[in-house]
Formats: sequence, structure tokens, C-alpha cells
Amino acid sequence: DIQMTQSPSSLSASVGDRVTITCRASQSINNYLNWYQQKPGKAPELLIYAASSLQGGVPSRFSGSGSGTDFTLTIGSLQPEDFASYYCQQSYSTPWTFGQGTKVEI
Amino acid sequence: QVQLQGSGPGLVKPSETLSLTCTVSGGSISDDSWSWIRQPPGKGLEWIGYLYYSGSINYNPSLKSRVTISLDTSKNQFSLKLSSVTAADTAVYYCARHVKRRVAVVDMIIDVFDIWGQGTMVTVSS
Repeated sequence: DIQMTQSPSSLSASVGDRVTITCRASQSINNYLNWYQQKPGKAPELLIYAASSLQGGVPSRFSGSGSGTDFTLTIGSLQPEDFASYYCQQSYSTPWTFGQGTKVEI
Repeated sequence: QVQLQGSGPGLVKPSETLSLTCTVSGGSISDDSWSWIRQPPGKGLEWIGYLYYSGSINYNPSLKSRVTISLDTSKNQFSLKLSSVTAADTAVYYCARHVKRRVAVVDMIIDVFDIWGQGTMVTVSS
């Protein structure tokens, strides 16, 4: 199985901050990397697919980059509604696997 | 607009079989592919398996011996059965639509979970 490791596991930030979350795969997954946002008590929602493509309806302050084994999710200017957990997920090969998550807190 | 609604018992006894159903509304279950994903309390996400509308199935090897995912086109539903459950199977179980998204600029097609059900909390306890 491909292991996905996110860092940090949690972070504290303020409204307006620029936030960066990293995700590392245990082997090269090319661009087969998705990002999801999960708010407490809710199902995850797709934010970014193929490492850098924004899902429809997602604000442009979210961006993704990376290829191979190292990926980054950036929130350009943190908004109150962005306080949530974020998960990366590889779609390179089954079993599809997720990172352990990064909780963005105030 | 496609929506998913999961349902099933919230409490299952150890060694018994967990059974959940996901009802698809706003679209035909025969048009897409479907996955189950779970999340133990306070933990991360684990993909359980998918079922393509064509009948192709793929399970996570860690659960393969205990999992069955099936389709009921007459009810526009798909279901999950997980046998011989233990406390380690306590989790929120999500159903999700699984689609192949084309990214023209890099000439690739990637699998994504683009629509999720609300989640069903299942506790395994006697």
C-alpha cells in the first residue's frame, strides 16, 4: 500500500494567515493526488484533484502543487469557514489511501 | 443534482455482520461508480471498496475477506456488508460517488470521490 504522510498534524492560525499543509507519498504517485476538507460532524468535500486542479465552487484562495512524492495545499488567506481538517488522498493505485489529516485551528 | 443518503443500524454486536445501504437520488445508480469509506472516531479515512456500474468490484485487501459491496438498481441503492465485526470496526461509514475526472492540461484521468453521503455512525458493542 502507498502510505500518505501529512504534516503538520495540526496547526493554529488566524484569519488572514497564509497556511501550507504538506503531504508526502511513500512512492511516486505522479499527479494522482486529491485534497479534501472535512468540517466537524460532516462528510469530507473534494477541494483539489490531480494535485492542482480546483474543484468547481471551491474558492480561489485554495491551491495545490507538487508531483511525484511531495505535495502542498495552500490557503492563501485563511477565512473563518476554513477552520477544518484537511486530508490528502492518492488515486495512483488501489487500495486508495488517505493521509492522517491536518486540523487547522484558531 | 445527485445526493447520497446512508442508512442502517447504529449498533452491531461483535462477530455479527454490519449492513448499510446508500440511496442515490437525483441520478441513476447505473450512471456512475460507488465507494464506501470509513472513519473511526477521531481518526483518519479508510477506503473500503468500490463498485463500478459495469459490475467491476475492488476491495481494500485489509478488509477483502469480510466485505461485500453490491448494487440494487431497482431501488437505486448500493450496499455494504462487513462480516465478523469487532470493536475496531466502530466508525462513521460514508458512501460516496466515485468518478473519473479528466485533466486535459496534463492529459490524465484521475479517480475522485466527488459526492459523499452524510455518514452513518456504527458502534460495535455487545
